[in-house]
Amino acid sequence: QQPVQSPQAVILREGEDAVINCSSSKALYSVHWYRQKHGEAPVFLMILLKGGEQKGHDKISASFNEKKQQSSLYLTASQLSYSGTYFCGPQLYGGSQGNLIFGKGTKLSVKP
Amino acid sequence: EPEVTQTPSHQVTQMGQEVILRCVPISNHLYFYWYRQILGQKVEFLVSFYNNEISEKSEIFDDQFSVERPDGSNFTLKIRSTKLEDSAMYFCASSLATGLYSYEQYFGPGTRLTVT
Repeated sequence: QQPVQSPQAVILREGEDAVINCSSSKALYSVHWYRQKHGEAPVFLMILLKGGEQKGHDKISASFNEKKQQSSLYLTASQLSYSGTYFCGPQLYGGSQGNLIFGKGTKLSVKP
Repeated sequence: EPEVTQTPSHQVTQMGQEVILRCVPISNHLYFYWYRQILGQKVEFLVSFYNNEISEKSEIFDDQFSVERPDGSNFTLKIRSTKLEDSAMYFCASSLATGLYSYEQYFGPGTRLTVT
């Protein structure tokens, strides 16, 4: 049930773009994306609920494919502050069973 | 901005001892969660709590673990007899709701538990 994230790690120069993928073997109810900086708690980025949905905030956006089995997080023109580990947290079900099962994370390092 | 708070920030205990980790969720939130993160690893779901009862728990959440909402503001995780492998960062989270609209979860800063 654990989602598969790729890549496991990526190193960027400031201003470069990155894509992080999150895949599931089953259709998902929703996908949450979180970012965790070293020694800190995960911070919510966005939720996608509908197949084909795309969302964006500033230069970070995400998509959820039609079959609701894959989500991608897009970081454009990366900034130093984007460094951290990105987790996708799919929900398999809604209602009281809608708990997040996080992937292993993608470690993003942005260098000057 | 409202936030989830956790105490203590760091707890050191001896193997076999009981520990209680405390959390104050955001005041109008209805769903509460505990997660743990072993150093360098992913965040793992432990338990969710709604309407004064457990709504779901993972395989990690065995009989050594319990949760409680002793009053209107606190949410606690108790580990009855700690083991070395319980050493981890424990995060509390809360959400306004779940279900149809799948609300985001807000995480507290965590309690680092060290079992010696």
